[in-house]
Amino acid sequence: AQKITQTQPGMFVQEKEAVTLDCTYDTSDQSYGLFWYKQPSSGEMIFLIYQGSYDEQNATEGRYSLNFQKARKSANLVISASQLGDSAMYFCAMRVNNQGGKLIFGQGTELSVKP
Amino acid sequence: SAVISQKPSRDICQRGTSLTIQCQVDSQVTMMFWYRQQPGQSLTLIATANQGSEATYESGFVIDKFPISRPNLTFSTLTVSNMSPEDSSIYLCSVETSGKVINTGELFFGEGSRLTVL
Repeated sequence: AQKITQTQPGMFVQEKEAVTLDCTYDTSDQSYGLFWYKQPSSGEMIFLIYQGSYDEQNATEGRYSLNFQKARKSANLVISASQLGDSAMYFCAMRVNNQGGKLIFGQGTELSVKP
Repeated sequence: SAVISQKPSRDICQRGTSLTIQCQVDSQVTMMFWYRQQPGQSLTLIATANQGSEATYESGFVIDKFPISRPNLTFSTLTVSNMSPEDSSIYLCSVETSGKVINTGELFFGEGSRLTVL
C-alpha cells in the first residue's frame, strides 16, 4: 500500500530564514510522482513543486526546492528566504501511475513564519 | 496550467438536505477528481470522474451519497446527499490536464467549496 508521512504537525521559522518540511513515502512502484501543495487559510490548494521518480535532478521552483532522496524514500521541501505569506499548511502528496493518477496526501505541516 | 472554478465557494446547509457543487475548467481535461478535506484533516479522494463513463469511487464512498456527473470534458458536479454534520468539509475538484505524460506535470485544484452542515 502507498503511504505519505509528514511527521511535523507544526513548524516555526524566522522571516528570511530557510526551512525544511519533511516528507517520507512508501510505495513498491517504480514510477511515481511527488507533489507539494500549499493551503492557506482560504482553503485553496496551490501547487508548488513536482518531482518524478525518474528525475535525476532535484526539482526547483523559485524559492522552493525539493530534496529528493530516492533510496531513503524522502522528498523534503525546502523553502528559502521565508516570507510572512508563506504561513500556511503544506501537504506532500504522491501519485502512483498505475492507479489512474489519483493523489495520496500526507497529514500536512502547518508552517508559521515569525517577523 | 488550468484554471478551475468551483461553485459555491462556501455554504451553510441544513441536515437532511442535498447540495450540488460545480467544477468548471477552462480547458478540456481527461480526468477530474473530487476530494474531501474534513476539518483539520488531510485530503481524501472521493471519486474519479471520467467523461462518458461512470465515476469510480474510492473505498468508503458510494454513489448514492456522492453522485457525480461529467457531461463533458470541461465540467463536473458532485452532489452531497442527505447531509449530516459529519459532511462538513472542504470539497475540492482536481484535474489532470490532457496531453500530459502521466508521469510529469501538475495536478491542479479548484478553490474548494467549504460546506457547513447544521
